[in-house]
Amino acid sequence: NAGVTQTPKFRVLKTGQSMTLLCAQDMNHEYMYWYRQDPGMGLRLIHYSVGEGTTAKGEVPDGYNVSRLKKQNFLLGLESAAPSQTSVYFCASRRLAGGQETQYFGPGTRLLVL
Amino acid sequence: GENVEQHPSTLSVQEGDSAVIKCTYSDSASNYFPWYKQELGKGPQLIIDIRSNVGEKKDQRIAVTLNKTAKHFSLHITETQPEDSAVYFCATADSWGKLQFGAGTQVVVTP
Repeated sequence: NAGVTQTPKFRVLKTGQSMTLLCAQDMNHEYMYWYRQDPGMGLRLIHYSVGEGTTAKGEVPDGYNVSRLKKQNFLLGLESAAPSQTSVYFCASRRLAGGQETQYFGPGTRLLVL
Repeated sequence: GENVEQHPSTLSVQEGDSAVIKCTYSDSASNYFPWYKQELGKGPQLIIDIRSNVGEKKDQRIAVTLNKTAKHFSLHITETQPEDSAVYFCATADSWGKLQFGAGTQVVVTP
């Protein structure tokens, strides 16, 4: 049981380039989330999904797109990277059981846009 | 969107002393209040949480209190140890699990 994994761990992009961040979970969770973390700040929600084939906008969705074609994977895309998207990106999945909930976070992807 | 304020931003304590972090929120729809610990280079890890129908919850050296009327909740760490040094985040969530985080508290426990 690997939990939540993220690929890649680190990436450098030039302004205008595109890339896709991959999040995978092997816990059969329905809910998945993408957050970004900037220095000195808490995480902010970009997009989320409540199940396979569904996506919804979070607090800071502009400049990002997502897809959830398979239950275990949640992809975050940057079509045209901007320096303002330099950040650490965290994926999470949510466990709901017996009235309890837990969000499990991945190790993060560090993205630098030059 | 909802605003979650967290204080203090940094907290230095002597080993064995207690640490208290406080958060306030504005959205009355929030019904879940987790606390996360984040170590350098890692993702946040849930350490304790509380739901809106409970006033206090304790897990060994960690406790959380919630005052829903006043819209504030607090994290208490007793008998602090060097391994408690990390950044701690409070958060609130709605029924969709969308987390709104505070800005974080850097806790430093000195031996």
